[in-house]
Amino acid sequence: AQSVTQPDIHITVSEGASLELRCNYSYGATPYLFWYVQSPGQGLQLLLKYFSGDTLVQGIKGFEAEFKRSQSSFNLRKPSVHWSDAAEYFCAVGANTGNQFYFGTGTSLTVIP
Amino acid sequence: EAQVTQNPRYLITVTGKKLTVTCSQNMNHEYMSWYRQDPGLGLRQIYYSMNVEVTDKGDVPEGYKVSRKEKRNFPLILESPSPNQTSLYFCASSFTGGHREQYFGPGTRLTVT
Repeated sequence: AQSVTQPDIHITVSEGASLELRCNYSYGATPYLFWYVQSPGQGLQLLLKYFSGDTLVQGIKGFEAEFKRSQSSFNLRKPSVHWSDAAEYFCAVGANTGNQFYFGTGTSLTVIP
Repeated sequence: EAQVTQNPRYLITVTGKKLTVTCSQNMNHEYMSWYRQDPGLGLRQIYYSMNVEVTDKGDVPEGYKVSRKEKRNFPLILESPSPNQTSLYFCASSFTGGHREQYFGPGTRLTVT
C-alpha cells in the first residue's frame, strides 16, 4: 500500500536561514508527488508537484523539491525562509491506479526573527 | 473565480443527529474527494468520486456516506454522528483522477458532543 512519511513533526528555523523538509514515500510505481502548505486557519494550497521529467521542480513562493527515486524521497527546500512561511507543510502522493490520494502527517514550521 | 466551496464552515451538533456538509466546485472537475484532518494524523481520505454516480471508499469511510448526482456537487453525509467524528473536513476536486493536482475547499470544522 502507498504511504507517505514526514519524519519531522515540528521544525524551527531563523528567518533568512535555509530550510529542508523531509518526505519519504512508499509506492510501487512512479509516484505523483505533491507538497501542500496550510497556513493557520486556512485550506491547503499547492506549492509544487512532480509527475515526471526533471527531478528538481520549482514551485511557488521560492520553494523547490527534488525527487530521488533511489531514496524514495521528495524533500522540500527553500534557500531563505521568510516569517510568512510559518505554516504546516504536507507531502502527498497520488496513485495512478486506484485514484486514492495519501498525505503525510505534516511538518509544522516555526520561523523565529 | 475558480473555487471549491463548503458549507457550513463551522458546525456543532449532538450525537446521532444526521447532518450533511455540502461541497461544490465550479471548475467542471471530474474527480472530487473528502478528507478529514486530525492532529498528528494529517489528512485522511474518506471517500472519492471519479464522476457522476461513481464513488469509492478511501481509507476512513466508516460512519460516512456520499453521493454524486451532479458533477459539481459532492455532499458528505453523517447519518448518526459520533464524538470520534469531531474533526476538520476538507473537500477537494481535480480534473481527473486522484493523481492530479487537487484544489481544496476552506474546510468545515465539525464538533459532535
